[in-house]
Amino acid sequence: KAGVTQTPRYLIKTRGQQVTLSCSPISGHRSVSWYQQTPGQGLQFLFEYFSETQRNKGNFPGRFSGRQFSNSRSEMNVSTLELGDSALYLCASSLLGLGAGELFFGEGSRLTVL
Amino acid sequence: KNEVEQSPQNLTAQEGEFITINCSYSVGISALHWLQQHPGGGIVSLFMLSSGKKKHGRLIATINIQEKHSSLHITASHPRDSAVYICALRAYSGGGADGLTFGKGTHLIIQP
Repeated sequence: KAGVTQTPRYLIKTRGQQVTLSCSPISGHRSVSWYQQTPGQGLQFLFEYFSETQRNKGNFPGRFSGRQFSNSRSEMNVSTLELGDSALYLCASSLLGLGAGELFFGEGSRLTVL
Repeated sequence: KNEVEQSPQNLTAQEGEFITINCSYSVGISALHWLQQHPGGGIVSLFMLSSGKKKHGRLIATINIQEKHSSLHITASHPRDSAVYICALRAYSGGGADGLTFGKGTHLIIQP
C-alpha cells in the first residue's frame, strides 16, 4: 500500500512569506503528526491531528498552524517566515495515534528561508 | 536538563559486533519509540514500547519503566545498520499525554 506522501519535497522562500506543506497519510490512518528537524535542535514535535481535531501541540509560536481534512490529509502552515524556520519538516501517520501504534514517516519537506 | 538522554552520541564498531544504544528519561511516559534515520532524512520506526522487550530480526529493544531506561541492541551488526538511532518518548503531563520528545540521536557507523 502507498506510504506517507509529503509535498513539496523542496522549497525556497524568503523572510516574511508564508508556506503551506501537505501530508497524505497511509489509507485508513486517522492520526497525522508533524515534526521539525534542524541540525541544532534535532527533532521537535509540532502537533498531532486525529480525525480532524488537534490533540497535542508542541512548544512553537502561533505562526505554526495546521489542520486536517475529512480524508485525513493534513496541512501545516508557517506564516511570516524567519531564517530559523529553515528545516526539514516531517509528518508521520498512525492508525491509532501517538503512543498507541507504530509511526510511518514521510520523506519530508525541506524548507530553506532566505 | 533534557528530558531524554541518549548514549553514546557517536559509536563506531566493526561488522559483527554487538551494539547497545541507551536512552534514559526523567518523566512518566506512556510509550517509547526507537527510530532509525539514514542519510537523506528518511525515518523508519523500529519499535514502540510501553513495557518489557521486543525483538525484530537482529534488533532487540527493552524498557525498564521503574528505572526510566530503554536500550536498543543490534546483534551481528552490518554496515547497512549505519544510521542515526533516535529515542522518542510520549510523556505524561498534568493535562494528559503530550506529543513526542526526542533524544539527540546516536550516530552509528559499522565498518566492514
